[in-house]
Amino acid sequence: SQQGEEDPQALSIQEGENATMNCSYKTSINNLQWYRQNSGRGLVHLILIRSNEREKHSGRLRVTLDTSKKSSSLLITASRAADTASYFCAPVGGTSYGKLTFGQGTILTVHP
Amino acid sequence: ETGVTQTPRHLVMGMTNKKSLKCEQHLGHNAMYWYKQSAKKPLELMFVYNFKEQTENNSVPSRFSPECPNSSHLFLHLHTLQPEDSALYLCASSHNDGTELFFGSGTQLSVL
Repeated sequence: SQQGEEDPQALSIQEGENATMNCSYKTSINNLQWYRQNSGRGLVHLILIRSNEREKHSGRLRVTLDTSKKSSSLLITASRAADTASYFCAPVGGTSYGKLTFGQGTILTVHP
Repeated sequence: ETGVTQTPRHLVMGMTNKKSLKCEQHLGHNAMYWYKQSAKKPLELMFVYNFKEQTENNSVPSRFSPECPNSSHLFLHLHTLQPEDSALYLCASSHNDGTELFFGSGTQLSVL
């Protein structure tokens, strides 16, 4: 199964700033999902973008997908202290279908 | 609250003990998963069940024994664990196409 690689490993910003996290993967996908994890808790699904979509929005979240570069980005606008968490991407396709795997994630810290 | 409930929330056990982790969902999902999250390592997919049948065993040592009596319940039986098995164990469920995983809050396991 394939896992995504998130970049940067850690990101520290001030409240109100935008946060951008990137994800790269290796093989073709059907969709790519982003998840968030607060410390010591389970992951929460944020958004799914399909391989034929280029951009998707959900509230303050904006996800882009570039299948030619095998990369995705997650933008959180007007960040809040409550956005402090780890963020993971999960590319899905081929042998990874139905069994999501995750990378190390990006640790986002938003300072009040 | 994601609809996936894990018990216990915390567990401390000796290397000779036998214990079980429980996961329950009433979301109508057909697939259930066990993940292991150790410090400074990516989440590791351990087992996948679809319609009560095990479809993935990611080379997990036999001291971890999963059980899925029905689509709503998943157990992880533990025996003769090692200190390196200390981790956060996460259960998740989804429809069988895996388009969105719902995670429980996890069981924080410490093996002494």
